[in-house]
Amino acid sequence: DAKTTQPPSMDCAEGRAANLPCNHSTISGNEYVYWYRQIHSQGPQYIIHGLKNNETNEMASLIITEDRKSSTLILPHATLRDTAVYYCIVKDNNNDMRFGAGTRLTVKP
Amino acid sequence: GAVVSQHPSRVICKSGTSVKIECRSLDFQATTMFWYRQFPKQSLMLMATSNEGSKATYEQGVEKDKFLINHASLTLSTLTVTSAHPEDSSFYICSARQASTNGYTFGSGTRLTVV
Repeated sequence: DAKTTQPPSMDCAEGRAANLPCNHSTISGNEYVYWYRQIHSQGPQYIIHGLKNNETNEMASLIITEDRKSSTLILPHATLRDTAVYYCIVKDNNNDMRFGAGTRLTVKP
Repeated sequence: GAVVSQHPSRVICKSGTSVKIECRSLDFQATTMFWYRQFPKQSLMLMATSNEGSKATYEQGVEKDKFLINHASLTLSTLTVTSAHPEDSSFYICSARQASTNGYTFGSGTRLTVV
């Protein structure tokens, strides 16, 4: 029973912004939106998370819609090293971190 | 930042033998650790959750007698794959939750090949 829906794959040109969407229409009020990424044969790497407000850190920006039913992860200037599978996860502080299928982002030169 | 060390990074074992994988939180105390399994081209599947000093909670379909989990201290959890078979070949990943921040940090994974 997936809580999030993401496109299976996306391409992005090197140096351009990568915008990865995530639908979470059944999100509850106390659930956060987390983004992780997994580069081939490595463990997942934390990117960013948010509850209601947009968030930005050194890696990415997270834009959450006002109704919180969807969000977008933005990598402002994608590089070849950003090629990975990106996972959008919704959870509250009591639930476990469970992964969906994710989006396979390929950054092309 | 928080670091989780997982060892070994890859292991090959013979069918019928047991393999132990270690997961250590290096600079924080992890009251809860998690073990995942990932088959090729698939997502991570949660196998079990372990709290320090208590028995692990296994996901439905995961055999607790085959995948032994020990979380004896706040910085170490181990997963032992007993009587391994080729179908147990997979990428095993641990994660640790830092109590003070509720942040999750993942290990680098262990690629197990059973021959």
